Parts: sequence; structure tokens; C-alpha cells
Amino acid sequence: GAVVSQHPSWVICKSGTSVKIECRSLDFQATTMFWYRQFPKQSLMLMATSNEGSKATYEQGVEKDKFLINHASLTLSTLTVTSAHPEDSSFYICSARREYGTSGGSSYNEQFFGPGTRLTVL
Amino acid sequence: QKEVEQDPGPLSVPEGAIVSLNCTYSNSAFQYFMWYRQYSRKGPELLMYTYSSGNKEDGRFTAQVDKSSKYISLFIRDSQPSDSATYLCAMSDWADKLIFGTGTRLQVFP
Repeated sequence: GAVVSQHPSWVICKSGTSVKIECRSLDFQATTMFWYRQFPKQSLMLMATSNEGSKATYEQGVEKDKFLINHASLTLSTLTVTSAHPEDSSFYICSARREYGTSGGSSYNEQFFGPGTRLTVL
Repeated sequence: QKEVEQDPGPLSVPEGAIVSLNCTYSNSAFQYFMWYRQYSRKGPELLMYTYSSGNKEDGRFTAQVDKSSKYISLFIRDSQPSDSATYLCAMSDWADKLIFGTGTRLQVFP
């Protein structure tokens, strides 16, 4: 269980076009999903937190008008890179938070990551 | 100073060796500590998850957290070529936001 998929896995587009990336939790519902960006040989950097039914929360320095996030259902979040430029070329990874309840009444959660989408902007 | 520091490697070891991977951090509010494995051009895969200080063992993997020193470790026993990957430490406070280290690239040669 706890499978997260992303589509597409690889996309090449021309500068100035928009690209949509989908993130789906396949076997659980996720009220919260996260979008990360990873440049070569660098770590994952959180871009935004996506909450089902409400506006996404963006990290400092991330342009919300350029990276549009929609979390319309409990299993799907989308990231749209608008007017993409070569500097937006990167590996985009989503994660979905799965919540667990324990017999003692407490809860904890884990993030499960998708396989990533490689975006190349020419 | 970065919140999480991790030696990027690469670390090259022979098959069967014990591997030690480490991260240091500066934010004393971190409570949750994780190790992820990432193969080339793939998303991270959770290996170990630890809350607060202490040790946790799972098969060939052992995670240690020393909050007093702000230092976490991942040990891999009897390393295999299939363990060759980048290992990322990650941590968070209560707010779900994960802060990742840069990752250590590990290569296990036969």
C-alpha cells in the first residue's frame, strides 16, 4: 500500500509553454500533498504544500503565479508550470501524507513520494 | 549555515562492508528523523523513520538519533551492490515540513 504516482514521468517542452504534472495517491486518501524540486546533485527543496479544497501554501521564493497548484480531490494534486523557461528545467517530485491512527488514540503520519517528473524546457 | 548538513560523498565501499552515513542539524525543534534512499532519476523511498532520540533497527539498517549532539546516523550492515544509491536524511518538527540533507551518494562494488 501507500503508492503515489506521477504523470508524466518525463516531459520536454518549448520555452513559453505551460506544463501540467499530476500527482495521485493510488491506495489512500491524502488531504495534504507536497511538491518538491530537485536540481542535479542537490537535495529536495519544498516548493509548496497542497491542501485539498483550499489554497496551497508556498515556500519563500517560490512564485505562486508561476507554479499553480490545484488539489481538487483527496487523491489528486496538480502542479502547472506556466510560461516555462529553461531555468525551470528540474526534477519535480510530489509526496502525499498518509495519516495513521494508533490503538492508543494518538496518530502519526508519513509522507510517500512519487517517482518524480523530469521537466526539460528547451 | 544550512539547517541540515550531509556529506555528499561519493562513498565507495566493497560488498559486505559496514556503511555509516551521517547528518548534523541545527534546529533543536526537529522531532522526526527519516532516512530515504533515492535511485537515479527516481523518487525517494522511505527507509527508516525515528521519533526523538534512540536507535531503531530494521534488517540490515540501523538508524540512530542523538538529539543532544544534533547528529543522526544510518548504518548499513553487509552492504550489497543493490544498496548503491543516494541516501537522504530528512527531519521535521511538528509541522510536516521536511528539511532534507543534500544526500550522500553510496557505491558498493562487488
